Amino acid sequence: DTGVSQDPRHKITKRGQNVTFRCDPISEHNRLYWYRQTLGQGPEFLTYFQNEAQLEKSRLLSDRFSAERPKGSFSTLEIQRTEQGDSAMYLCASSGTSGGEETQYFGPGTRLLVL
Amino acid sequence: ELKVEQNPLFLSMQEGKNYTIYCNYSTTSDRLYWYRQDPGKSLESLFVLLSNGAVKQEGRLMASLDTKARLSTLHITAAVHDLSATYFCAVDRGYSGGGADGLTFGKGTHLIIQP
Repeated sequence: DTGVSQDPRHKITKRGQNVTFRCDPISEHNRLYWYRQTLGQGPEFLTYFQNEAQLEKSRLLSDRFSAERPKGSFSTLEIQRTEQGDSAMYLCASSGTSGGEETQYFGPGTRLLVL
Repeated sequence: ELKVEQNPLFLSMQEGKNYTIYCNYSTTSDRLYWYRQDPGKSLESLFVLLSNGAVKQEGRLMASLDTKARLSTLHITAAVHDLSATYFCAVDRGYSGGGADGLTFGKGTHLIIQP
């Protein structure tokens, strides 16, 4: 396994359009996280899944955002009616529960630009 | 609300010098992470500190954790140019015993090491 992958890597869209991002975690990891990072800031937590269950959502995740992990493997993050303020890097991370250090391993990110 | 503060936010230093980055956090947590981010790239895990007094070292970097003081440090010994990057500390928002939850990140320390 080569790590967490995300697709697309870059997305340019017009304000008001919907966009969807995909994340494939490390295969044996049952926890998956979404973060958002804007320029010059640290990542901000959006939501996380344990298997297919979405266990927590940040207040940052407005009604226009929805995330799914239908079979406990890959996840999608959809933003409806995009706004310019949604422009950011969207990062996905995964971790396991093997009793180890449970490091969150991050993917390369999807950079979104809303015009 | 958990707050994580790093200082300094920007550091320019010469090769061969030693320096320390500080990370303070506002609520009790026994899990602290250090990540590195190169420009335009995702986050690379450096250290996971799981208990009071934990110390980990990798090459020229050493991280420590004092949970009583709610303080972690990342010490750089004899800096080299390749260590130039942004370093983030992150605290587990609510360790539930079954694995890491979402992380709260500091703003990052932008480190430039000049020859």
